[in-house]
Amino acid sequence: ETGVTQSPTHLIKTRGQQVTLRCSSQSGHNTVSWYQQALGQGPQFIFQYYREEENGRGNFPPRFSGLQFPNYSSELNVNALELDDSALYLCASSLEANTEAFFGQGTRLTVV
Amino acid sequence: GDSVTQMEGPVTLSEEAFLTINCTYTATGYPSLFWYVQYPGEGLQLLLKATKADDKGSNKGFEATYRKETTSFHLEKGSVQVSDSAVYFCALRKDTGFQKLVFGTGTRLLVSP
Repeated sequence: ETGVTQSPTHLIKTRGQQVTLRCSSQSGHNTVSWYQQALGQGPQFIFQYYREEENGRGNFPPRFSGLQFPNYSSELNVNALELDDSALYLCASSLEANTEAFFGQGTRLTVV
Repeated sequence: GDSVTQMEGPVTLSEEAFLTINCTYTATGYPSLFWYVQYPGEGLQLLLKATKADDKGSNKGFEATYRKETTSFHLEKGSVQVSDSAVYFCALRKDTGFQKLVFGTGTRLLVSP
């Protein structure tokens, strides 16, 4: 069984640019959640997708947007990057919206 | 809003010592409680969970009991190993509507031989 995979593993972007992060959910999982983990902090919930629809959102501005595809993989897009967006971005998939979340290894984004 | 508070680290122990990492939470209703572990360069792995008051979660020698009266979910292990060195996160999840995990800031554990 393939676990949750994220790409790329590391990324460096310049302030003001746009970035797309990708997540392949575990086989059979229809729910994907995205979290931002700043250095030395716990993960913060960004949003959740369930069967291709946004199912809930945390306190992040609209320049953080997402997408879920028919195969339940997902993208996180961030526009107009700011220095504070530098963080580890974690994707988690679950069988349904209310079941155990399995995390990927994350994408480390550095904004310079 | 809902929140989780963990003891600050790092926690430094010698191998075979007893471990306690404190975790308290603030939430309305009856959240599920979790401990996740993060090894260097990796994502989060679920260590154990408890879904109702007085439940005890356990895995790999780690234990935590859901104490509603003290709103706590402290992590314990009787004898730590060097391989337990990692960052431990306490988290809660409200099981109503869409569900998100609310994490504490994490506690780094360093175990020396």
